[in-house]
Amino acid sequence: NAGVTQTPKFQVLKTGQSMTLQCAQDMNHEYMSWYRQDPGMGLRLIHYSVGAGITDQGEVPNGYNVSRSTTEDFPLRLLSAAPSQTSVYFCASKGTSLSISYNEQFFGPGTRLTVL
Amino acid sequence: AQKVTQAQTEISVVEKEDVTLDCVYETRDTTYYLFWYKQPPSGELVFLIRRNSFDEQNEISGRYSWNFQKSTSSFNFTITASQVVDSAVYFCALSEAGADGLTFGKGTHLIIQP
Repeated sequence: NAGVTQTPKFQVLKTGQSMTLQCAQDMNHEYMSWYRQDPGMGLRLIHYSVGAGITDQGEVPNGYNVSRSTTEDFPLRLLSAAPSQTSVYFCASKGTSLSISYNEQFFGPGTRLTVL
Repeated sequence: AQKVTQAQTEISVVEKEDVTLDCVYETRDTTYYLFWYKQPPSGELVFLIRRNSFDEQNEISGRYSWNFQKSTSSFNFTITASQVVDSAVYFCALSEAGADGLTFGKGTHLIIQP
């Protein structure tokens, strides 16, 4: 049981390049989400999904796209990277038993992205 | 809208001292959930505790304890007899009933000096 995995661990992009951050979980969790962590800002929600085929925006969605074709995978796409997207990105998942808000979120190890 | 405030940006103590990390939250919901996460220097996020709004009992787990007070909208975290391994950034977070994500505080960087 690997939990939540993210690839790559580190990435450097040039302004305008595109890339996809991968996230996968093997806990059969319906809910998955992406956060970004900036110095002194805590973590902020980018996008989330409550199940395959369903996604929605969080607090800071601009510049990011997501899709959820399977329960296991929830990739985050940067279509045209900007220096403001330099951050550490965390993927998380949680089960939906009881109240969705109640359940512990399991976080991946993070992806450190630098946009030059 | 919900909000979590961790007013202490950084705390530095000497090993074996007790230390309390403050967390104040704002929410209009009567049902909500509070969490604490630890982020060690290695960067991963480690779940420490969850508390729901109907359970004001304090909790103790080894050297860790949590004081939840609805009257002051606070959910403070105390480490007793701190150790160097406790050095980390600690985040308090809030989830409202039906909400789809966590609202995090900005974190408190705890430094335990030997």
